[in-house]
Amino acid sequence: KAGVTQTPRYLIKTRGQQVTLSCSPISGHRSVSWYQQTPGQGLQFLFEYFSETQRNKGNFPGRFSGRQFSNSRSEMNVSTLELGDSALYLCASSLVGTSTDTQYFGPGTRLTVL
Amino acid sequence: AQSVAQPEDQVNVAEGNPLTVKCTYSVSGNPYLFWYVQYPNRGLQFLLKYITGDNLVKGSYGFEAEFNKSQTSFHLKKPSALVSDSALYFCAVRDFDSSASKIIFGSGTRLSIRP
Repeated sequence: KAGVTQTPRYLIKTRGQQVTLSCSPISGHRSVSWYQQTPGQGLQFLFEYFSETQRNKGNFPGRFSGRQFSNSRSEMNVSTLELGDSALYLCASSLVGTSTDTQYFGPGTRLTVL
Repeated sequence: AQSVAQPEDQVNVAEGNPLTVKCTYSVSGNPYLFWYVQYPNRGLQFLLKYITGDNLVKGSYGFEAEFNKSQTSFHLKKPSALVSDSALYFCAVRDFDSSASKIIFGSGTRLSIRP
């Protein structure tokens, strides 16, 4: 079974631009979560989608948004990019997203904001 | 609020020796605990989890972890370290809530195995 895939793997943008990242979960998984990883803040939860609905949200500004499609694929969007948005963005999928579910992570998208 | 702490930024072990990576947690209800490993330029790989049952949990690549409720700890262990175990290790916790898929991660521990 194929793992979680994320595209693109690397992205370079300038301040003020917007960016869209894509995540395809493991087949059969309906829950998709997004995390931001930076050296200073570590791994921080962004949001989680299940059945096309945002079910949980972390403490990030409204510039960070996402959505999930009927096939469970998810996209994350960051508008008006800031230098501090440079990070590794990780997507994780699980069957239904309960507390006991294991989340499986993709390789991440490395975003650099210049 | 739930939290997890990894008190050591780095652990250095000689190949063939046992290793321990420490993790302590704080939750209001029953804890669900996870260990992940991250290799350079890669995402996180699942190692093992504790939900309920035996306090000793066995996982991938020969790793195991011991759940200790009284000490609120979930230390990762391996009897004999390999150079290929060198990586960044994350402990994570979830509180009991069927709708809460949010995981709280520790700050990570870099494990370095010297030949």
